Amino acid sequence: DQQVKQNSPSLSVQEGRISILNCDYTNSMFDYFLWYKKYPAEGPTFLISISSIKDKNEDGRFTVFLNKSAKHLSLHIVPSQPGDSAVYFCAASASGGSNYKLTFGKGTLLTVNP
Amino acid sequence: NAGVMQNPRHLVRRRGQEARLRCSPMKGHSHVYWYRQLPEEGLKFMVYLQKENIIDESGMPKERFSAEFPKEGPSILRIQQVVRGDSAAYFCASSPLQGGSNQPQHFGDGTRLSIL
Repeated sequence: DQQVKQNSPSLSVQEGRISILNCDYTNSMFDYFLWYKKYPAEGPTFLISISSIKDKNEDGRFTVFLNKSAKHLSLHIVPSQPGDSAVYFCAASASGGSNYKLTFGKGTLLTVNP
Repeated sequence: NAGVMQNPRHLVRRRGQEARLRCSPMKGHSHVYWYRQLPEEGLKFMVYLQKENIIDESGMPKERFSAEFPKEGPSILRIQQVVRGDSAAYFCASSPLQGGSNQPQHFGDGTRLSIL
C-alpha cells in the first residue's frame, strides 16, 4: 500500500524555467513533509520541509506548497539549473510516538537541460 | 567529512553468507535510522536505534536481520544467511534528537549489497 505517491517517474525542463514536482499522500495522520534530493551513488540530501500548520515554505529557489484537503504537496524550483538534475523524493511522517518514521515516495527523476 | 559515514560502499556476498553494514552518525547525533531501497522503489524504514537501545524495529524482517548501536563504535546492520532478495541499497540516517518535525534526518551515501 503506497501511502506516498509520486506519479511522475521523470520530468524534463529547460534551464531557467520552473520545475514542479508533485506528491500525493493517503494517510491523513501525516503532518510533516520533506523533500530530499538524490544524486546517483549518493545518499538523499535534505532540501526543504513543511509542517501541516503551514501551506507554504520557501527557501531560496525552492518552495514547497501543501494542500491538506487534497492531500497533495508540490516542490517548485525556480529558476531550474542543470545542477538540479537528480531524483527527488517526497517523504512524510506522522506526529506522535513514531514521528521519526519517514515514508518515502518512489521518486521523480528531474532533468534540467542547458 | 562530518557527515554520516557508511561502509563498505559496495558489498558482494554469496547466498548463505553474512553481511555486516556499518554506520557512523554525524558528530553530535545519537539517533540512528536504517532504511532499505529496493530497485525502482522508495526508501523503506527498517529500524530506529539510540545508543545501546533499539527503539523501533517494526520495519525489519522478522528473521535473519538484526541491528545494534553500541555505546562505542558504529551502528551495525547484520544480515545472516543472505538471499538474492536482500540485494538492495541500505541507507543509514542520523539526527541529533528524535527525528520528526524540525528534525530532518541526514543520510549517508549507502551500502549497495549484491547477492550472487
